[in-house]
Amino acid sequence: NAGVTQTPKFQVLKTGQSMTLQCAQDMNHNSMYWYRQDPGMGLRLIYYSASEGTTDKGEVPNGYNVSRLNKREFSLRLESAAPSQTSVYFCASRRDSRGMNTEAFFGQGTRLTVV
Amino acid sequence: QKEVEQNSGPLSVPEGAIASLNCTYSDRGSQSFFWYRQYSGKSPELIMFIYSNGDKEDGRFTAQLNKASQYVSLLIRDSQPSDSATYLCAVRSMGRRALTFGSGTRLQVQP
Repeated sequence: NAGVTQTPKFQVLKTGQSMTLQCAQDMNHNSMYWYRQDPGMGLRLIYYSASEGTTDKGEVPNGYNVSRLNKREFSLRLESAAPSQTSVYFCASRRDSRGMNTEAFFGQGTRLTVV
Repeated sequence: QKEVEQNSGPLSVPEGAIASLNCTYSDRGSQSFFWYRQYSGKSPELIMFIYSNGDKEDGRFTAQLNKASQYVSLLIRDSQPSDSATYLCAVRSMGRRALTFGSGTRLQVQP
């Protein structure tokens, strides 16, 4: 059981380049999330998708776009990468965004460096 | 004021001692509270959650919630070097579809 799978694990981009981070879950969860984690800042929500076909902005959405391709997949796109987007990105899923006690399961993370 | 606050640490305890990790939150509408453990370079993994005032025990771990004072804590009994990690507090508030995380407390258990 793979859980939440992210690709790639590591990436180095030049300023201005674009890329898409992929995320897939096999737990039949409705809700999926993208977080970024920076030293001393904890996990900050970029975008989330409460269910297939819907996406909403989180705390730090600027410079990113997302696509909920189907129930399993939720991708994050950087159209023009900036050094400030150097971070570790985590994808997560939950069974139901309304569930009070449903935990979030995390992917293994993508370490992105923008030079 | 951050929505979820944690002391960044490091909190250093000797092996076998009790480690006490604290978290405060600002939204009185918060409904459920989660503790995640994150080893260096790894993804967060859930230790336990709590949503009622009082204590909840699971093995060596006890979560404590006091909604009136807006804090939640995690006690780790008989701390082991393998408990050395960053502990993230996460809160689910009414009307929010995602968990809000604190910045984490780094715990070091000295052999």
